[in-house]
Amino acid sequence: GQNIDQPTEMTATEGAIVQINCTYQTSGFNGLFWYQQHAGEAPTFLSYNVLDGLEEKGRFSSFLSRSKGYSYLLLKELQMKDSASYLCAVRGGDYGQNFVFGPGTRLSVLP
Amino acid sequence: NAGVTQTPKFRILKIGQSMTLQCTQDMNHNYMYWYRQDPGMGLKLIYYSVGAGITDKGEVPNGYNVSRSTTEDFPLRLELAAPSQTSVYFCASSPSNTEAFFGQGTRLTVV
Repeated sequence: GQNIDQPTEMTATEGAIVQINCTYQTSGFNGLFWYQQHAGEAPTFLSYNVLDGLEEKGRFSSFLSRSKGYSYLLLKELQMKDSASYLCAVRGGDYGQNFVFGPGTRLSVLP
Repeated sequence: NAGVTQTPKFRILKIGQSMTLQCTQDMNHNYMYWYRQDPGMGLKLIYYSVGAGITDKGEVPNGYNVSRSTTEDFPLRLELAAPSQTSVYFCASSPSNTEAFFGQGTRLTVV
């Protein structure tokens, strides 16, 4: 089976750092992807990892441990506009062709 | 660049009616996907395609059909609309080894 878990909701303060965790069990693995989705909008790509370790892109970083089935998204210097849902997705399937999404983590950034 | 284009953006259907959700991409991606997203939930895969002429079922295919006659187009057909199909539908495309790109979504209500 395929299972991806994330916390349902998180709250943080403007200017702070927040870490959103994701654990997964999937058939096949061809990368771990993070998307941001504002209410009423389409998901937009943030970051991905295919090898273990940390990938940094400006205020956003993503970490992967394939042996533990674990990833996190780190958001630094939080801004009000970062209030959104963050979706963890694994590209897997028998031929590495499908994206399986977690339930998403709704982040609220407070002033 | 247009990217992934979905039409219509909004639609209200009566129970038992049929409709086709259109999706086209201009990035020459082989992989295309249809997802549905219910309020406050993650994305569920309905159908996917790995190339023209090839389609396969995802996690929640019942009540839907697809075709992929060209690389660009991947329409989703609802034959007998039911209230349980009220959702937001996202089409996405991807090259073989990187992220998926999403259309802006179709908000469908079945009454």
